[in-house]
Amino acid sequence: QQQVKQSPQSLIVQKGGISIINCAYENTAFDYFPWYQQFPGKGPALLIAIRPDVSEKKEGRFTISFNKSAKQFSLHIMDSQPGDSATYFCAARGGFKTIFGAGTRLFVKA
Amino acid sequence: DTGVSQDPRHKITKRGQNVTFRCDPISEHNRLYWYRQTLGQGPEFLTYFQNEAQLEKSRLLSDRFSAERPKGSFSTLEIQRTEQGDSAMYLCASSSPLAQGPSSYNEQFFGPGTRLTVL
Repeated sequence: QQQVKQSPQSLIVQKGGISIINCAYENTAFDYFPWYQQFPGKGPALLIAIRPDVSEKKEGRFTISFNKSAKQFSLHIMDSQPGDSATYFCAARGGFKTIFGAGTRLFVKA
Repeated sequence: DTGVSQDPRHKITKRGQNVTFRCDPISEHNRLYWYRQTLGQGPEFLTYFQNEAQLEKSRLLSDRFSAERPKGSFSTLEIQRTEQGDSAMYLCASSSPLAQGPSSYNEQFFGPGTRLTVL
């Protein structure tokens, strides 16, 4: 019930394309869903986040779509750039504990 | 740099040795978290402090692991009698209970991590 399942494990996208990463959760007590970006040798950094009372959140090229009834949420990266190449983690938080997905390694081809 | 700092960045040790890592959170943050991240996985929660009180420990934190935050500022994570399975990146994060904006919601800010290799 504590798991957050993330797919795909890896993703290759052409420059200018759309990158889509999906996540699913089971615990309905989660009340905050952040996405993190991690570059090699660095800690994760918050990219964008959403609360379950909202179905979509957009910040620049990054959009979260949230489906509360299906307990699924996804990250869309529009106009993907080589600089977006990194590992992306979805997460779900209940109280102070954050549960992370296994990560998606994104590579954007120039 | 006013972010979360961790020391050392890398540690190589032999099996059976003790190691200690330090985390300095963002100065006004009273909440501090330790995570462990193995290769190809997301961070796994280890423990949580609010000020100097350790309020939650994961079952992942065996009795060989101990964490402290004696004055509610920096924190240390000690691993005794290290095993090869302890090899991982140990991440520290801090947060403040005060809202920091519409999308932050008591957001955790991560440090760069300490990479531990146990030979």
